[in-house]
Amino acid sequence: AQSVTQLGSHVSVSEGALVLLRCNYSSSVPPYLFWYVQYPNQGLQLLLKYTSAATLVKGINGFEAEFKKSETSFHLTKPSAHMSDAAEYFCAVSDKRDDKIIFGKGTRLHILP
Amino acid sequence: KAGVTQTPRYLIKTRGQQVTLSCSPISGHRSVSWYQQTPGQGLQFLFEYFSETQRNKGNFPGRFSGRQFSNSRSEMNVSTLELGDSALYLCASSLGQGGQETQYFGPGTRLLVL
Repeated sequence: AQSVTQLGSHVSVSEGALVLLRCNYSSSVPPYLFWYVQYPNQGLQLLLKYTSAATLVKGINGFEAEFKKSETSFHLTKPSAHMSDAAEYFCAVSDKRDDKIIFGKGTRLHILP
Repeated sequence: KAGVTQTPRYLIKTRGQQVTLSCSPISGHRSVSWYQQTPGQGLQFLFEYFSETQRNKGNFPGRFSGRQFSNSRSEMNVSTLELGDSALYLCASSLGQGGQETQYFGPGTRLLVL
């Protein structure tokens, strides 16, 4: 069965500092991996996705994530945090067999001035 | 191109009632999925429809049902509402089938059961 674990339900970084949100997955077949962001009172917006092409995936708003099969990880990074990055971030996994997406519990990112 | 729209955006019901939520996918998208989001359980998959057929179903009781129409619009119904059904219900659409397809989410319907 597929699963996703996001380490840290809350992460705080200073404005301008590196953002690192951790995600580990479990899947019996090569997975598709996603990062979504949710701003208050809004739906989810796709940041980036991995579909077995390049292992380093670049997304919107300066975010990127690296697929590491040996570590079963798909951590999200951004070199320099901006106040507008404050939101909740969800890592998710699916596979070729169906469209069901399994989400992690989410990490709320706080940006300190 | 218009995004995924969900109606209504907010809803208040009482225990025992039933509710129907509506989702209009992005034009041309044929797959619609539904998710329940709560603070305790996070985001949980409810079901997915493609070309009017339910392809996948999550671990929810039979009180939760859905359907998809020929124009790809989808409805979700919850009967005999319980307090625990209070949640944000999100709909997502994608162009086709397959786990690699990008799902585009609507703003959600926030349901409060009293």
